[in-house]
Amino acid sequence: GESVGLHLPTLSVQEGDNSIINCAYSNSASDYFIWYKQESGKGPQFIIDIRSNMDKRQGQRVTVLLNKTVKHLSLQIAATQPGDSAVYFCAGFNNAGNMLTFGGGTRLMVKP
Amino acid sequence: KAGVTQTPRYLIKTRGQQVTLSCSPISGHRSVSWYQQTPGQGLQFLFEYFSETQRNKGNFPGRFSGRQFSNSRSEMNVSTLELGDSALYLCASSLVPGGGYGYTFGSGTRLTVV
Repeated sequence: GESVGLHLPTLSVQEGDNSIINCAYSNSASDYFIWYKQESGKGPQFIIDIRSNMDKRQGQRVTVLLNKTVKHLSLQIAATQPGDSAVYFCAGFNNAGNMLTFGGGTRLMVKP
Repeated sequence: KAGVTQTPRYLIKTRGQQVTLSCSPISGHRSVSWYQQTPGQGLQFLFEYFSETQRNKGNFPGRFSGRQFSNSRSEMNVSTLELGDSALYLCASSLVPGGGYGYTFGSGTRLTVV
């Protein structure tokens, strides 16, 4: 099955700095990835997605990069704000079973 | 429009009991998936329902079951509860099976087994 994991459990950044959260996957057949943000007591919230025919996609203050050669994707958050503090998950879309699987999550902490 | 609604928000049960959790998807969404979230394991896929049929099932014992009604609302049931079943149970809905864009999560039901 799909294996999608995160490199770091916790990331601490200064307010205003850029944040980079990384994720590695093992199944090269995955063709769709999603980043989610989960705040305390809430369900995961969709942030941005990317298909395997792309290597970069930008949203509002967020950019996702996909490197299929090394099976790695990252989420970049520009000018990190206190409201960005949350746990971030990457999700791999298993095209064989149409099932999302999730890495353990990275907790982003923003220092004022 | 209303989001994904899960009830109840919190639940305390005794080991050996059974529990039923409910999920009402976003209006028009016909696919509902269930996940178990624990600090140690992260999000683990339980099952997905679409048009009242189970499309996919994760690697959980048979004590975990679910169903979907004609109005797309879904329930999941856990029988013979164990302490290790304590977790946040999340459901997500989407227009089409398999998730993707529009895949929206509810706030979850926090189940504590004592």
